Amino acid sequence: GDSVTQMEGPVTLSEEAFLTINCTYTATGYPSLFWYVQYPGEGLQLLLKATKADDKGSNKGFEATYRKETTSFHLEKGSVQVSDSAVYFCALSRNAGNNRKLIWGLGTSLAVNP
Amino acid sequence: GAGVSQSPSNKVTEKGKDVELRCDPISGHTALYWYRQSLGQGLEFLIYFQGNSAPDKSGLPSDRFSAERTGGSVSTLTIQRTQQEDSAVYLCASSYPIGELFFGEGSRLTVL
Repeated sequence: GDSVTQMEGPVTLSEEAFLTINCTYTATGYPSLFWYVQYPGEGLQLLLKATKADDKGSNKGFEATYRKETTSFHLEKGSVQVSDSAVYFCALSRNAGNNRKLIWGLGTSLAVNP
Repeated sequence: GAGVSQSPSNKVTEKGKDVELRCDPISGHTALYWYRQSLGQGLEFLIYFQGNSAPDKSGLPSDRFSAERTGGSVSTLTIQRTQQEDSAVYLCASSYPIGELFFGEGSRLTVL
C-alpha cells in the first residue's frame, strides 16, 4: 500500500544552518505531496505542496521538489531560524483534494538553537 | 473563533470509562475530519463529515468509537469503554469541500 517515510529526528541545528528533511514515498500513479508543520502549542498547518512531477512547492523560505524518479519530496531551507523549530510532517494523497486519503509520515522534530 | 478549537486539551481517564472530545471548526468550513495520532504512528484517519451528507466512518477502529456533528458545526467524538490502546492525540481538522486542512491543537487522551 501507499506509504511515506521520513528521516527520524530530532534534528538539531544552529541558526543560519542549511536544513534538509528527507521524505520518500511509495504509491502507484501520481500522488500529490505535502509538507505540514506543527509549531509548539499550535495545530498542524500546511507548509507547501506539489501536485505533479518536477513541481516545486515553496513557502516561508522552505522548498521541496517532487521527484518521481527518486520518489522523493525532501524539504530544504537555506538558512534556518529559531522560529522554525517545530515538527514537520510529509504526506501524500492519491486523490488531489481528498483529505481523507492523506497518508502521513511519522514527523521529524527540528530544534534550532541561537 | 479564528481557528479550529478542540477540548479538552488533555484528558486522563480510567479504563472502561466513556470519553467525549469536542471540536469546533472554522466558521464556514463544511468539511470536518477526525484523526488519531498514536505514539510512534502517523496520523490515522477516523471519520469525515461533509455538509449534510452521510459521514464517512471507514476509519473508525471499532464500534466503541462514534462521532456526530450537530447543525453542521460542532462535532463530538465519543469513545465508549476506553482501553489503554485508545491513548493517543485526537486531532480535528476542517476545510472547505476541497482544499487545505486547518487543524486544531488536538486532545491528548491517556487511558490508565
